[in-house]
Amino acid sequence: QVQLVESGGGVVQPGGSLRLSCAASGFTFSSYGMHWVRQAPGKGLEWVAFIRYDGSNKYYADSVKGRFTISRDNSKNTLYLQMNSLRAEDTAVYYCAKDILTVRDYWGQGTLVTVSS
Amino acid sequence: QSVLTQPPSVSAAPGQKVTISCSGSSSNIGNNYVSWYQQLPGTAPKLLIYENNKRPSGIPDRFSGSKSGTSATLGITGLQTGDEADYYCGTWDSSLSDGHVVFGGGTKLTVL
Repeated sequence: QVQLVESGGGVVQPGGSLRLSCAASGFTFSSYGMHWVRQAPGKGLEWVAFIRYDGSNKYYADSVKGRFTISRDNSKNTLYLQMNSLRAEDTAVYYCAKDILTVRDYWGQGTLVTVSS
Repeated sequence: QSVLTQPPSVSAAPGQKVTISCSGSSSNIGNNYVSWYQQLPGTAPKLLIYENNKRPSGIPDRFSGSKSGTSATLGITGLQTGDEADYYCGTWDSSLSDGHVVFGGGTKLTVL
């Protein structure tokens, strides 16, 4: 069965960096576009970034452009999100998700990132 | 401020019907498929509707979706207490040079 397991969340100071990972299994990872979506405490869903199945195209939300980098290693079935210059407003649960908005949609359980001094 | 506009909350009695609206523009809903998600507290979002009105396997036909112009609607009939959750609409937006995914602000459904 499809599994997406995020890791790497934690507490970081403002201005700091963190790298999230998402280990995928149960499907052909190299065939699917992947997303990161976040949800601040008590708030709604906010799309963060997308990467095509082969890594050839990457799209970012304006709120993270220039600070976050999405990448993937298809040989390791792993998706990444490198987050730099973190701000308090980046505090959220970060979900890794496969092919959202389609019938092939699947989400991980999320990992919490807290930006605080 | 979300790109897609949803009412913050709706409520209805068990067994009744409720609709949740999602309003956008020509760059998102007007030219792209709409999906709907249900999120129970402490869990990841679950896909209810894709391509405006299609249900994934396992989603009961009590849930329905429709789209007209730049607006979409989620309908839920035969309300159950287990339907209490937050509901989100989502779609692609092509207003910028790069594709973006946009979500509504979410609607909290209360089954009285």
